Amino acid sequence: SQQGEEDPQALSIQEGENATMNCSYKTSINNLQWYRQNSGRGLVHLILIRSNEREKHSGRLRVTLDTSKKSSSLLITASRAADTASYFCATAPTGGGNKLTFGTGTQLKVEL
Amino acid sequence: GAGVSQSPRYKVAKRGQDVALRCDPISGHVSLFWYQQALGQGPEFLTYFQNEAQLDKSGLPSDRFFAERPEGSVSTLKIQRTQQEDSAVYLCASSLDLLGELFFGEGSRLTVL
Repeated sequence: SQQGEEDPQALSIQEGENATMNCSYKTSINNLQWYRQNSGRGLVHLILIRSNEREKHSGRLRVTLDTSKKSSSLLITASRAADTASYFCATAPTGGGNKLTFGTGTQLKVEL
Repeated sequence: GAGVSQSPRYKVAKRGQDVALRCDPISGHVSLFWYQQALGQGPEFLTYFQNEAQLDKSGLPSDRFFAERPEGSVSTLKIQRTQQEDSAVYLCASSLDLLGELFFGEGSRLTVL
């Protein structure tokens, strides 16, 4: 079963705008990861945030983690058409190694 | 190779046939995972290996599903007597250590008619 839910399920924005996706999860975690999936392709790792971190940046990506609310957000700044993809959060449970449980995903469409 | 390689990329099977899906992980990666992804959904965990040991197979949907990694490198996911509900993309991923990012293959899309 899926660990968490992502919100929104689908998001359509104009190139240059920022995109924010949210993820909620249910159990205690060691880390939370975000992945991207282009249509018909495998998943590509974007960023990992550990349970003792609150915010992390990587290029145009910013991830926050609130373990008290069991939620995370992914912000993509200055979006590009090439960012069009599905984005998934995945949680690594405490004591569970990196057996990841994925959320339901957000489909992002960036229009020119 | 440079990445995780899966074959076949596409497989069409008649209901009741057996299928075998292969995964060639990144060289030196200790952990190997199999996930099942239904259309429009996130990947769901099937099973996990550390080297040749299958440490967790709790996600395998039935005893028709079997996975092996006999030499701690290449893995095969076998589905016996396929059913229509087995239609999905089967994703393989590997990782260097026990905590960290997973590297995914392109997946094997199985369609059972």
